[in-house]
Amino acid sequence: GESVGLHLPTLSVQEGDNSIINCAYSNSASDYFIWYKQESGKGPQFIIDIRSNMDKRQGQRVTVLLNKTVKHLSLQIAATQPGDSAVYFCAENIRGEGNKLVFGAGTILRVKS
Amino acid sequence: DTGVSQDPRHKITKRGQNVTFRCDPISEHNRLYWYRQTLGQGPEFLTYFQNEAQLEKSRLLSDRFSAERPKGSFSTLEIQRTEQGDSAMYLCASSFGTGGDSPLHFGNGTRLTVT
Repeated sequence: GESVGLHLPTLSVQEGDNSIINCAYSNSASDYFIWYKQESGKGPQFIIDIRSNMDKRQGQRVTVLLNKTVKHLSLQIAATQPGDSAVYFCAENIRGEGNKLVFGAGTILRVKS
Repeated sequence: DTGVSQDPRHKITKRGQNVTFRCDPISEHNRLYWYRQTLGQGPEFLTYFQNEAQLEKSRLLSDRFSAERPKGSFSTLEIQRTEQGDSAMYLCASSFGTGGDSPLHFGNGTRLTVT
């Protein structure tokens, strides 16, 4: 597979532990946020989204937390599995700047067995 | 498989040649997006369509790039007179909605290498 994210932050966790991936955004006009997972050679895969009128949303094994005061978004993965190893991106829609998503730089998650 | 489909998966071309990529979105999705991704970076927005109308283009989309979605279904992205800096993964995504709060569903991309 390709070598992705030579300079991306990396989070290494033990299989079975919980993972927390963080994302800071700078635009207070952002009103919709998504977390994506990208495996080598594939396109980004939707994980979970949250609108700015919420501060927490849960899915299957994943939770997204939004702190608008400090412009911070996090993705929590419970009981991390080897299949969770990938690059994770947060993306935001900036209100008034069209109907597109702006992506962050990404975080590499490595799960050790 | 009813996801977003992109063709070809890989394209190697010589500098100065023209290339064209195709994207077939999820059938009920009215919006179609093109993004570009280079190694170690997040995807960067290029352009998007709502049905057949191209509603927004990024400054990244130089005059050598053109995208079409003639019948509001599949889309093509053409790059004329390719340059080495065009080497990247070109991602297509689709969504359903009218506002900015619909998730984009991505294909697996076309990897372009310009030699």
